[in-house]
Amino acid sequence: EDKVVQSPLSLVVHEGDTVTLNCSYEVTNFRSLLWYKQEKKAPTFLFMLTSSGIEKKSGRLSSILDKKELFSILNITATQTGDSAVYLCAVRRNQGGKLIFGQGTELSVKP
Amino acid sequence: DTAVSQTPKYLVTQMGNDKSIKCEQNLGHDTMYWYKQDSKKFLKIMFSYNNKELIINETVPNRFSPKSPDKAHLNLHINSLELGDSAVYFCASSNLGQGAHEQYFGPGTRLTVT
Repeated sequence: EDKVVQSPLSLVVHEGDTVTLNCSYEVTNFRSLLWYKQEKKAPTFLFMLTSSGIEKKSGRLSSILDKKELFSILNITATQTGDSAVYLCAVRRNQGGKLIFGQGTELSVKP
Repeated sequence: DTAVSQTPKYLVTQMGNDKSIKCEQNLGHDTMYWYKQDSKKFLKIMFSYNNKELIINETVPNRFSPKSPDKAHLNLHINSLELGDSAVYFCASSNLGQGAHEQYFGPGTRLTVT
């Protein structure tokens, strides 16, 4: 059965810290892996990764995919209180377009 | 100018009632989805429509019936509501063709069944 597992499930850090969030997957017919940030409302798109070893970067956030070891990491440097959210990892298969989500990592950044 | 919108945002109703949630996207996407997010924040696909055709129908009670009148709209009707239906329901849209396309989510509808 397709599975996406995120770790840790929750994390508390202080402003300025660097965090690494993990996502491992076992999904047949993999097409892409996506990261979303969810605050109080809808998940908002962060990154989509399709190729191994190519880092995607946006400001203080970056992500990379390892298709051989079946995992991805999301890094956030110099964290701010506004980074507090649930970070969701999802994998898309080739057929149908549905996203298979992990259980999320709840990040809390303290001032 | 909202990309994916849902109505209502909040819905409180009693067990046994029938209710509908509406979703509209103005992104020109050809595929729309319904996801359910439970109290533990776990998001799970329910249905997907591509060009008004049902392409994903996960193991969902048949009290849930999606309807897509056109590519830009996907509604969810729920009959005989049960306590366990309480959750946040998210609509999303994307394109389904070649290449990898991200999904954009609506603001969610928080359904509370009492």
